[in-house]
Parts: sequence; structure tokens; C-alpha cells
Amino acid sequence: GQQVMQIPQYQHVQEGEDFTTYCNSSTTLSNIQWYKQRPGGHPVFLIQLVKSGEVKKQKRLTFQFGEAKKNSSLHITATQTTDVGTYFCAGWAGDYKLSFGAGTTVTVRA
Amino acid sequence: EAGVAQSPRYKIIEKRQSVAFWCNPISGHATLYWYQQILGQGPKLLIQFQNNGVVDDSQLPKDRFSAERLKGVDSTLKIQPAKLEDSAVYLCASSQRYSSLSDTQYFGPGTRLTVL
Repeated sequence: GQQVMQIPQYQHVQEGEDFTTYCNSSTTLSNIQWYKQRPGGHPVFLIQLVKSGEVKKQKRLTFQFGEAKKNSSLHITATQTTDVGTYFCAGWAGDYKLSFGAGTTVTVRA
Repeated sequence: EAGVAQSPRYKIIEKRQSVAFWCNPISGHATLYWYQQILGQGPKLLIQFQNNGVVDDSQLPKDRFSAERLKGVDSTLKIQPAKLEDSAVYLCASSQRYSSLSDTQYFGPGTRLTVL
């Protein structure tokens, strides 16, 4: 079955620094979504990417969908303490079932 | 707009006992999902309803788990009997349309189940 993998599992970042988290699928995806889950909270939708090579920005967050539609990345610039949480990618692969990765848990050193 | 409601928020039971979770999706949302999120992992889809019909339950352990969505609104998820490995957060989510590529899933706060 479809597998969605995320790396790294943990990201410890100094406040103000940039970092990138990656998402890879074993199969071609129809689209990919990103969610953020704060500690003790529930996943909250951030963005959806549909087109090959698509790039979308939300303030300091930049999301990219790979040309082959099998991978995606989330880049955060000038990390802030409000960025703490776990970021999940979730892919649709034609069966309309959203498969979540294990997430990247981000901690920020002030 | 009210969000997805779930209850209870926390539940502690002993193995072999039964437990039920309740979910009330966002008003007007046709699709309802139940996910299991084990600590340190991403949510895993258990069952997906469109209105009151099941569209995917391939990952639901049917020997012990059951779910229903009568009248196409509220839903209940039941575990009978519970095992230690069922300890997890059970998330309910809803979306407006069925299987739309542009559809967003809205998650409830979840029910944290601990099986002793």
C-alpha cells in the first residue's frame, strides 16, 4: 500500500534560523496536504498542493510539490517559538484516502 | 462556525472492557472520518463515511471495532473488547464534500484512550 515518509522525525532549531522538512511517497500522489499539530492539540490544515512543481507561500512557510508528484517539502524561515509543533504531510493517491506521514516534531531554542 | 465536537476527551479502561466515542461533525459536512493516532505517529484512517454510508473501512479491525453514522450526522466508534495496543488518541474529522481534491479535513480535539 501507499506509504508516506517524513524526515527528519525531530528538528531542533535555534530561534531565527531556517529549516526544511521533507515528505516522500512510495507512489505518485494526486495532491498533498500539510497539517500542523501543536502539543496536546489536533491536526490543523495548513495548505494543499495539487500541481506538479507547485510552490505556495504562507508568510514564513514555503511549501513545494515535486515535479514527479512523489515528494514535497516545507521550508520555514526565521523560526519563531510559535512554530513549535508537529508538521504532517498527507497524500492522496487516487483512492481518495489520505495517508499521513509520521510527522516532523519541531522544537525551538530561544 | 462551530468545530468538530468529540466526547469524552479522556477515557481510561482496563483491557477487555468496552468503550465508545462520540463525534458531531461540522454542520452540513457530508464526509466524516475516524482516525487512530498512536503516540509519535501520524493519524491512521480507520473508517470514512459519506453521509450515513461507509466508503472505506479497510483499516478498521472489524473483530473489535465498529462504527456507525445514523442519519448521516453524529457518529459513534466502539471498541469491544479493548486491548493494550488500542491506547491512542481517536480523532474525528469532517469535510464538506466527498473525495474532493480541494477539500479540507477539519479535526476534532480527539479522545485520548488509555487501556490498562
